[in-house]
Amino acid sequence: KAGVTQTPRYLIKTRGQQVTLSCSPISGHRSVSWYQQTPGQGLQFLFEYFSETQRNKGNFPGRFSGRQFSNSRSEMNVSTLELGDSALYLCASSLGLADQETQYFGPGTRLLVL
Amino acid sequence: AQSVTQPDIHITVSEGASLELRCNYSYGATPYLFWYVQSPGQGLQLLLKYFSGDTLVQGIKGFEAEFKRSQSSFNLRKPSVHWSDAAEYFCAVGAFYTGGFKTIFGAGTRLFVKA
Repeated sequence: KAGVTQTPRYLIKTRGQQVTLSCSPISGHRSVSWYQQTPGQGLQFLFEYFSETQRNKGNFPGRFSGRQFSNSRSEMNVSTLELGDSALYLCASSLGLADQETQYFGPGTRLLVL
Repeated sequence: AQSVTQPDIHITVSEGASLELRCNYSYGATPYLFWYVQSPGQGLQLLLKYFSGDTLVQGIKGFEAEFKRSQSSFNLRKPSVHWSDAAEYFCAVGAFYTGGFKTIFGAGTRLFVKA
């Protein structure tokens, strides 16, 4: 089975721009979660999508948004980029069912905001 | 709310020596517990997990972890460390809420291996 894939792997943007990151989960997985990882804050939960609906949300500003498509692929969007948005963005997929909540992570997208 | 603490920011061990990485969690009921490993610039790889049953869990790459309810701990161990084990290790605790399932990660422990 193919693992979780994320595109692009690296991205450089400037302040004020917006960015869209993509995540393709493991086949059969219906839940996709997004995390932001920075040296200072560690791994922080952004949001989780299950069957095209946002099921859970972390404490991030509204500039961070996401969506999930019918094939379970997910995108996250960050608008009006700030320098502090520079981070490794990780996507994780799981079956999304009770007792099956093991998350499998993609390699991440490294975003640099200049 | 659940939380997880990894008391050691970094640990250095000699190759061939044993390893124990500490993890303490806070949660009212029996949580779902995980250990992940992250190599530089990579995503997180699942080492092992505990949901229920036998409190000693075997994982990949020769790792094991023991769930101790009385101590709210889920420490990761390996009897003999290899240089390739140098990486960052994350303990995580998950639980079901009304809105779904939420996983909280510890701050991580960076492992250095001396030759």
